[in-house]
Amino acid sequence: KQEVTQIPAALSVPEGENLVLNCSFTDSAIYNLQWFRQDPGKGLTSLLLIQSSQREQTSGRLNASLDKSSGRSTLYIAASQPGDSATYLCVLNAGGTSYGKLTFGQGTILTVHP
Amino acid sequence: NAGVTQTPKFRVLKTGQSMTLLCAQDMNHEYMYWYRQDPGMGLRLIHYSVGEGTTAKGEVPDGYNVSRLKKQNFLLGLESAAPSQTSVYFCASRYSWDTTSHTGELFFGEGSRLTVL
Repeated sequence: KQEVTQIPAALSVPEGENLVLNCSFTDSAIYNLQWFRQDPGKGLTSLLLIQSSQREQTSGRLNASLDKSSGRSTLYIAASQPGDSATYLCVLNAGGTSYGKLTFGQGTILTVHP
Repeated sequence: NAGVTQTPKFRVLKTGQSMTLLCAQDMNHEYMYWYRQDPGMGLRLIHYSVGEGTTAKGEVPDGYNVSRLKKQNFLLGLESAAPSQTSVYFCASRYSWDTTSHTGELFFGEGSRLTVL
């Protein structure tokens, strides 16, 4: 059974810092991995999607990497801003002939203070 | 392109009442999912569908029913609401396979907040 762990559970940093959020998984047979952010009382917004054949994806100040051999993905946020404050979730898609089982991490609550 | 739309966004029910949540997607996705999100519990899968006319149970299906009569719509029903079903419900959808034109990206609706008194 796939297990996904996100570390840390919560993180508080001053504005301007570069930071790394971690997502670890136990089964390397994944199809893709997706990072989301969720603002309080809101839905999930997709940030980056990494296919199993890819090593990283970048969008603006965000960079996500994937290392299947070590069972790890990281989300790097450069020059953090108060508007980055949210919960960040990683979601693994097992693919295959089933419904593409999705496994969610518990999330990292990020607070960026001015 | 509206993406994934959930209606209603808010609803208050009394115990025993019934209601239906509608999820509509305009991206021609095969897979659709219903999740509930509770404080400290993360997202839990209620039911899912891999195509029109097919549905299956997820982790927490009790007390819910679903239907997918049209490819673009996935309905979640509560036949007799209970306070334990107070939650935020999210619908999601994606293509079944990654192709050169589709990435398999998962899209979520904005959520439906349900309170059962």
